[in-house]
Amino acid sequence: SQTIHQWPATLVQPVGSPLSLECTVEGTSNPNLYWYRQAAGRGLQLLFYSVGIGQISSEVPQNLSASRPQDRQFILSSKKLLLSDSGFYLCAWNPGGYEQFFGPGTRLTVL
Amino acid sequence: DQQVKQNSPSLSVQEGRISILNCDYTNSMFDYFLWYKKYPAEGPTFLISISSIKDKNEDGRFTVFLNKSAKHLSLHIVPSQPGDSAVYFCAASDLGTNAGKSTFGDGTTLTVKP
Repeated sequence: SQTIHQWPATLVQPVGSPLSLECTVEGTSNPNLYWYRQAAGRGLQLLFYSVGIGQISSEVPQNLSASRPQDRQFILSSKKLLLSDSGFYLCAWNPGGYEQFFGPGTRLTVL
Repeated sequence: DQQVKQNSPSLSVQEGRISILNCDYTNSMFDYFLWYKKYPAEGPTFLISISSIKDKNEDGRFTVFLNKSAKHLSLHIVPSQPGDSAVYFCAASDLGTNAGKSTFGDGTTLTVKP
């Protein structure tokens, strides 16, 4: 069966520090991968998606970047965090259909 | 402009009664719609979906209705149970783009009272 992992579960970082969130998927190959952010009281905002290794599409201009160094690995990064980067970050995958499978999420607090 | 809207941030119902969660969309290119359920500090999980060629899809206690002319869909939960208390997200996809990419609403928090 397929499993999606995200770490860390929670993170508290000072403004201006770098960020690296990692997501890995097991039990499948060549998945579509997604990074979402949920701000407090809001819905899920799609940040990046990837249909293959090295292929990244950005949905909104922002302080973040994404990379896909391996087929089942998706990384969200920032060189310098802003207060507005705080939120709940979710990685998701799908095999090519419509339904997405989400990871457990990372709660990021930027102070 | 928000393309998928859930205008009710919260809904409270009594156990055993019907819960109706609503969702409106503006993009006529959307042709597949999904509902996800989310508990606090967890990722959303898929609940039920419907294609634009249908107007109803049922799965146990959950039924989704689609009114294409009104660009409106709703999720009915009958009977509601306390374990259904969660945030429900409506999502929409466009076949013409990356099929897995969805646009989400802001969610409706459902509370089912015992």
